[in-house]
Amino acid sequence: DGGITQSPKYLFRKEGQNVTLSCEQNLNHDAMYWYRQDPGQGLRLIYYSQIVNDFQKGDIAEGYSVSREKKESFPLTVTSAQKNPTAFYLCASSTHYEQYFGPGTRLTVT
Amino acid sequence: KNEVEQSPQNLTAQEGEFITINCSYSVGISALHWLQQHPGGGIVSLFMLSSGKKKHGRLIATINIQEKHSSLHITASHPRDSAVYICAVSRGSNYQLIWGAGTKLIIKP
Repeated sequence: DGGITQSPKYLFRKEGQNVTLSCEQNLNHDAMYWYRQDPGQGLRLIYYSQIVNDFQKGDIAEGYSVSREKKESFPLTVTSAQKNPTAFYLCASSTHYEQYFGPGTRLTVT
Repeated sequence: KNEVEQSPQNLTAQEGEFITINCSYSVGISALHWLQQHPGGGIVSLFMLSSGKKKHGRLIATINIQEKHSSLHITASHPRDSAVYICAVSRGSNYQLIWGAGTKLIIKP
């Protein structure tokens, strides 16, 4: 079955540690995205990539980094510079207009 | 003012009621999307439309390009329809979406 995999579903980290969230897709989509969602708020774009080895900052990229070495993988690193990292993180990939979402990772930093 | 506005923000209804969720946007678009997010967090795409009307089961989505407005309707609502419904728009050939804040729907048995 084609789809998007995010792991883990829940992640706990201590403040000051970097953490990497995994996102893998087998849909053969060129474009991939990372969103952050906070309670009661809409999705906000962190980073996106339209092609391998290229990515662009979204609206809230500060404190995050990404890589796109393979078409199917787009990992997100939440660095210690991100001031409020506790949130729900969603990965997506897309055809020309329609986006497909992974199940999300809920990150809690204490 | 947000470029994509949804109303209402929250909606509670009884099972069987006809539900309408509205989305207005202020920018030129190439398509409008309706998505559903369940309490566990996963998001599913319901509709993508650029004109007219689409129907899938008990869900109907309409769009009026001139008025920059779309509606999502649910007929014969059921508690399993309880979710957050999100409107988003895409512009031109850019893959990025502009997101509404979502409408939280609760259907009581």
